[in-house]
Amino acid sequence: GAGVSQSPSNKVTEKGKDVELRCDPISGHTALYWYRQRLGQGLEFLIYFQGNSAPDKSGLPSDRFSAERTGESVSTLTIQRTQQEDSAVYLCASSLIRFRGTRSANEQFFGPGTRLTVL
Amino acid sequence: AQKITQTQPGMFVQEKEAVTLDCTYDTSDQSYGLFWYKQPSSGEMIFLIYQGSYDEQNATEGRYSLNFQKARKSANLVISASQLGDSAMYFCAMRETLQGAQKLVFGQGTRLTINP
Repeated sequence: GAGVSQSPSNKVTEKGKDVELRCDPISGHTALYWYRQRLGQGLEFLIYFQGNSAPDKSGLPSDRFSAERTGESVSTLTIQRTQQEDSAVYLCASSLIRFRGTRSANEQFFGPGTRLTVL
Repeated sequence: AQKITQTQPGMFVQEKEAVTLDCTYDTSDQSYGLFWYKQPSSGEMIFLIYQGSYDEQNATEGRYSLNFQKARKSANLVISASQLGDSAMYFCAMRETLQGAQKLVFGQGTRLTINP
């Protein structure tokens, strides 16, 4: 089956503009995550969705960032009034939650990312 | 507070040698999971191996093994018989639950270069 897909692959925008980044998770995966990766850095958690539970927004860096998810499918990350420090690769991941003892990795499968450049 | 520490920014290894990438973590939880991901220059994140905090045996996946020392809070990745295609960034990550959905906390990564 298809993996996690993200669009656009690249986005160049001017400071102050709003951007929307899209993520299509693997079909059947109930959990969806957004991360940010600045150049040469590790991944920073932004937000995750799990089924019908309230999303964990604890990683969103400011109120300019928001995300939505439609059911157990597509998610959109929106950044309002973009700043130059928002320039990064935004990675989406999904996972299938299984409970089968301690060996359940429930590993996250990552998309190719959206490279955002704010001029 | 930094929870995952990877102290080796870069590693250079000869092809066919074994390599150990270091990872230490900090948590007060008893139940947690540890992961290693590979990120080639293409940017994709590839899951390599997982270790649950209650797993008594070290995890192994092909040429990858995880040297889990719980008392020292370390989860080093060992790659045996390295290949040129192993050149990439490697990230250690922790999930502060044993199972289920939860964010991953990543280290800063180690850039591994395999020399022919």
